[in-house]
Amino acid sequence: GAGVSQSPRYKVAKRGQDVALRCDPISGHVSLFWYQQALGQGPEFLTYFQNEAQLDKSGLPSDRFFAERPEGSVSTLKIQRTQQEDSAVYLCASSLWWQATLEQYFGPGTRLTVT
Amino acid sequence: GDSVTQMEGPVTLSEEAFLTINCTYTATGYPSLFWYVQYPGEGLQLLLKATKADDKGSNKGFEATYRKETTSFHLEKGSVQVSDSAVYFCALTTYSSASKIIFGSGTRLSIRP
Repeated sequence: GAGVSQSPRYKVAKRGQDVALRCDPISGHVSLFWYQQALGQGPEFLTYFQNEAQLDKSGLPSDRFFAERPEGSVSTLKIQRTQQEDSAVYLCASSLWWQATLEQYFGPGTRLTVT
Repeated sequence: GDSVTQMEGPVTLSEEAFLTINCTYTATGYPSLFWYVQYPGEGLQLLLKATKADDKGSNKGFEATYRKETTSFHLEKGSVQVSDSAVYFCALTTYSSASKIIFGSGTRLSIRP
């Protein structure tokens, strides 16, 4: 079956532009996560949805970052007024439920470069 | 807070060598432990996991044992192949963290033919 998909795969933005990154989770997966992976580092948690409810946004680095999942399926991560430090790979993951022992399935990521 | 520390890379080995990648963790709750792998040009995928003390996770010849007394989850493989070249991430989740994954910084492994 289809895995987690993300679009676009690559995005170049000029500093100050707004960007929107899309995630299509595996069908039927309740939980959806966004992570940020800087070059040479491990992914870091940004935010978490259970269905359409955003239950944890403690990892969002600033109020320029905003995520939504209005119908409990597709999610969008929006970054306003991009800065160079926002350059990273943004990973989306989904899992069947919120249980800590369950595997999270990752998408291929969106590589954002801010120039 | 919860954290994962893993050995820094890069690690370069010859084919058929024995592999160990060390991983230790700090967690306030009772974590589940994972190894994820990122092959060149591909997304992160789960390699193995263990959810309670003394459990051994295994997959594709890789093994790791959940050691609560030493707070460790070292990854081992008896005979590595060129196709094992990738970046390996040790990670944990806890119920108190609502299942968000906390990753180590990753270890890049290169295998010479």
